[in-house]
Amino acid sequence: GAGVSQSPSNKVTEKGKDVELRCDPISGHTALYWYRQRLGQGLEFLIYFQGNSAPDKSGLPSDRFSAERTGESVSTLTIQRTQQEDSAVYLCASRGGRGNYEQYFGPGTRLTVT
Amino acid sequence: GEDVEQSLFLSVREGDSSVINCTYTDSSSTYLYWYKQEPGAGLQLLTYIFSNMDMKQDQRLTVLLNKKDKHLSLRIADTQTGDSAIYFCAAGGGSYIPTFGRGTSLIVHP
Repeated sequence: GAGVSQSPSNKVTEKGKDVELRCDPISGHTALYWYRQRLGQGLEFLIYFQGNSAPDKSGLPSDRFSAERTGESVSTLTIQRTQQEDSAVYLCASRGGRGNYEQYFGPGTRLTVT
Repeated sequence: GEDVEQSLFLSVREGDSSVINCTYTDSSSTYLYWYKQEPGAGLQLLTYIFSNMDMKQDQRLTVLLNKKDKHLSLRIADTQTGDSAIYFCAAGGGSYIPTFGRGTSLIVHP
């Protein structure tokens, strides 16, 4: 079946502009994660959605970052007033729900802020 | 919080075995993962092990867990050039939010 998809694959934006990144999880997966990967770095957790529970936003680096998820489907990560330090690959992952420990990752969106 | 450490680089000759090591700090971590990331791609789950196991084998991959020392290793037998990638270790517990290491770049040369 289809894996996790993300769009766009690449985004170049000017400093100060807002951007929206999209993630389509695997159908039926109740859990969805967003991570940030800076060049040469590991994965930095941003936010976690599990079913209809309140999302865990503990990893969001500032109030310029927000994310939404509609039910158990698409999620969007929004970065307002982008800064050069926001340049990174943003990865989305989904998981099948409680008791299932396997995360499946999308290919990522490479964001470049000029 | 959890901290996961890995060496940054490993270079091996094709056909040799590769061993990638990882340490973690939270003794309550219940599941430990290995992911592979090829250039320009997302992370691919290779295997994972629960903390009540000490070994898991899957074809050319062997995962060893020393829970006392909080040490995890991934052994790749008969390493091939296609195994060249970044390998991430991750540790997680009941929160379902695993902590990732910085990744080990495996370079396989002929």
